[in-house]
Order: sequence, then structure tokens, then C-alpha cells
Amino acid sequence: KNQVEQSPQSLIILEGKNCTLQCNYTVSPFSNLRWYKQDTGRGPVSLTIMTFSENTKSNGRYTATLDADTKQSSLHITASQLSDSASYICVVSDRGSTLGRLYFGRGTQLTVWP
Amino acid sequence: EADIYQTPRYLVIGTGKKITLECSQTMGHDKMYWYQQDPGMELHLIHYSYGVNSTEKGDLSSESTVSRIRTEHFPLTLESARPSHTSQYLCASSGPPGGTKEKLFFGSGTQLSVL
Repeated sequence: KNQVEQSPQSLIILEGKNCTLQCNYTVSPFSNLRWYKQDTGRGPVSLTIMTFSENTKSNGRYTATLDADTKQSSLHITASQLSDSASYICVVSDRGSTLGRLYFGRGTQLTVWP
Repeated sequence: EADIYQTPRYLVIGTGKKITLECSQTMGHDKMYWYQQDPGMELHLIHYSYGVNSTEKGDLSSESTVSRIRTEHFPLTLESARPSHTSQYLCASSGPPGGTKEKLFFGSGTQLSVL
């Protein structure tokens, strides 16, 4: 069964600190992995997209890594800000020629305290 | 910023009412999707469309229906709402077409509460 598992389920950090969120998947075949940020009551917004051949992708203070061999990805947030408080969702696609079927994780709820 | 819009943002209705959730995008995308999301849970695909007059059911069984008469418009209808339909409904579209990095854009969602 294709699955996407994220950890931790929730995380609280102080403003200015760094944090790393984890995503493990069993989706096969693998096409690409996406990280989304979802503010409370809003739709998800894309942060990064990585294909099989990409090991790392950055978007400002967000850096995603991918190890396709171990089927693991991480999202590192540097110098956190209050506005980083949100749910971070890992999404894996299983086909290359089109958007493919998407498998969603349940997200990591990040809270940044002042 | 994605040009995909959902209305209403919040809707509270009584059991048995017919409702339509609106979704429009101005990006010219052929592919559009409806997802259902409960708190703390993953998104579930309930309907998708690959173009005008094309609609398919998604992975999650849903009593809702959709239509795609125009490229930019993808409304979702519930003929008779029930409390079990209470959830957040997210509309999305994807493009430009093709490639592994085809981007998926989400609307802000409609939070539906059925009493």
C-alpha cells in the first residue's frame, strides 16, 4: 500500500530557531516529492518540488532534501518566524509523464512561539 | 499567488439542503480537482477533471457531483447535505501541462458545516 508518513505530528519551537520535519514514503513507482505549507483555514501553497535526481531544493529559508534510495525526505526551516506557524504537508507523486496520482501525508503542525 | 478562487469560504446549512460550492481559476488550466480534508488528516481526492465535459470520481467515495462546462469553472454540488458532509473542501488546478514538475495550485477552501 502506497503511503506517506510524516513526523513529528506536531512541533513547537521558539522564534529564530531552526527545525527539521521528516517524511517517509513507500510510493512506487516514484516520480516526485512536494512540500506544501498550509495555513489554518487556507489551501496548501507549494514550497518545493523534487524529482528522483534532485537531492536538495531551497526556497528562501526552506530547504528540502530527498534520499530516493531510503525513500526519505526532510524539510529544514532556518531562522523560524512567527509566520512559519502552519501545517507542512509532504506529497508524493507516482507518475512522470503527467501530474500522476498524489499521495498526501497528514502534515506536521508547526507552532512558532515568540 | 495562485489565481484560483473558491466561494463561499464558510457555509453553515441544515440537513437536506442542496448546496453548490464554486471554484474558478483564471490560469487556463485544463486539469482541476476537488479534495476533502478533515482536521489533522490527509487530503482525499473526491473528483477531478482533465478538461471541458470530462469528470471523474476520485479515490474517496463522495455523494457529491461535479460539472465542467467551462475550462475556468468546476462547481461541486451536494443534492442533500448531511452532517457527515461536514468538512473542508479544497479545489485545485494544475499546469502548465506535462512534465514531472507540473504545479498544483489550491484555492482557499470552503469550510462546510451541516447541522
